[in-house]
Amino acid sequence: EAEVAQSPRYKITEKSQAVAFWCDPISGHATLYWYRQILGQGPELLVQFQDESVVDDSQLPKDRFSAERLKGVDSTLKIQPAELGDSAMYLCASSYRGLAGVGEQFFGPGTRLTVL
Amino acid sequence: AQSVTQLGSHVSVSEGALVLLRCNYSSSVPPYLFWYVQYPNQGLQLLLKYTSAATLVKGINGFEAEFKKSETSFHLTKPSAHMSDAAEYFCAVSGNDMRFGAGTRLTVKP
Repeated sequence: EAEVAQSPRYKITEKSQAVAFWCDPISGHATLYWYRQILGQGPELLVQFQDESVVDDSQLPKDRFSAERLKGVDSTLKIQPAELGDSAMYLCASSYRGLAGVGEQFFGPGTRLTVL
Repeated sequence: AQSVTQLGSHVSVSEGALVLLRCNYSSSVPPYLFWYVQYPNQGLQLLLKYTSAATLVKGINGFEAEFKKSETSFHLTKPSAHMSDAAEYFCAVSGNDMRFGAGTRLTVKP
């Protein structure tokens, strides 16, 4: 069964360091999402890609976060510099937007980031 | 703008008892609604979805949810809880993007 892949699964870093997360969506899924999930809360969208284009990054803290999906397939989310408040689970999801325009989102296992 | 509110951050039931997790939504357009389950340190798995077809939606693992427009609700139920149902459950509404509720942690007592 096709799955969304993410790596690493866990990352511990010190504040002010740079971190990067990688996501490989399900083959054929044009839409890719990055979410941040703080412990005890629901996921919050950081950025949404349609193919290689960003369609929504309104909640992405652009002073320190960046995301790219250069070839419209896999994607990287970067934080530089990391802050204590960035400790969270970072989830990647993908969907195939069919005729209904509503794509069920398939989630990867997430990357648990701890900033010390 | 769309949003969901999950009533009760924590629900505890006995094994074999009815599970009821509450979700109310707000949407300016006909909504698409979802229930996801999340086990510790894992991603979210889709339980079921409502996309304007039947109002009673059946999902995996014996769960179902009923869309009630008059009450703006989409509550999740399961007739008989199993220990393996213990997890975090998220209701979500979709339009141009997906908005999740804060989640409800389900505990199942033996």
